[in-house]
Amino acid sequence: EVQLVESGGGLVQPGGSLRLSCEASGLIFSNYWMTWVRQAPGKGLEWVANIKQDGSEKYYVDSVKGRFTISRDNAQNSLYLQMNSLRAEDTAVYYCSSGDAMDIWGRGTTVTVSS
Amino acid sequence: QSVLTQPPSASGTPGQRVTISCSGGSSNIGRKAVSWYQQLPGTAPKLLIYNNNQRPSGVPDRFSGSKSGTSASLAISGLQSEDEADYYCATWDRSLDGWVFGGGTKLTVL
Repeated sequence: EVQLVESGGGLVQPGGSLRLSCEASGLIFSNYWMTWVRQAPGKGLEWVANIKQDGSEKYYVDSVKGRFTISRDNAQNSLYLQMNSLRAEDTAVYYCSSGDAMDIWGRGTTVTVSS
Repeated sequence: QSVLTQPPSASGTPGQRVTISCSGGSSNIGRKAVSWYQQLPGTAPKLLIYNNNQRPSGVPDRFSGSKSGTSASLAISGLQSEDEADYYCATWDRSLDGWVFGGGTKLTVL
C-alpha cells in the first residue's frame, strides 16, 4: 500500500523556522515528482512547491519564494520543506503528494504561526 | 482570487446528475491536462480524475471529466450521500510555472 506520512508541524512564532518531512512507502520514490500543497483553515487548496524526480527542477508559488526550500532524499524515500521567515499567513495544514497529477496524498501536518 | 474559477456550491438529490465547472485560460487549462480532487470533510484530498477524463483505479465510473478549450467540468451521476464533499480542479499554469487550483465547490446532497 502506498503511504505518505508528513511530520514536523507545530506552533512557531512569526519569523521562525520549521522543517517538514514526508516519508514515503510502498512506491519507488525516486520515480515520482513530489509536491507540497497547503490548506489554510476554512480555505481551499494552494500549491506550494514541487520537485522533480532527481531534484534538478524545483518550482515555488510566489508567496514562498526565497523563504521555503523543497528538497528530497531518494535514498531515504523522503521529501522535505524547509520553511524560514514564517508569517501568520503560512498557517495551514501542509500535505505532501506524489505523482505527476498529485495521485497520492498524505494526511497532512499542521503548521501554526502565531505569537 | 483563484486562477481557476469554480462555483462555490452545487447541490443535487440522490440519483441525480450534477456537474461542476472549472474555467481557466490559455496558459493553464488551454494547454495542460486537468485533474479533479475530492476532499471529504476532515480528510485529505483524493485524486478523482487526471488527464482531463481518466479515472484512477478504484474511482467509480459515476465520476467523469471533460475539457473543452479553456474550461473543464466534472460530472457525477447517480448522486449518493457519500459524494457530499469539496471538489477542486487543478492544472499546471505555464505562465506562473506552477500548479493552480480552483477555489473549490462544496457539493451538498439534499
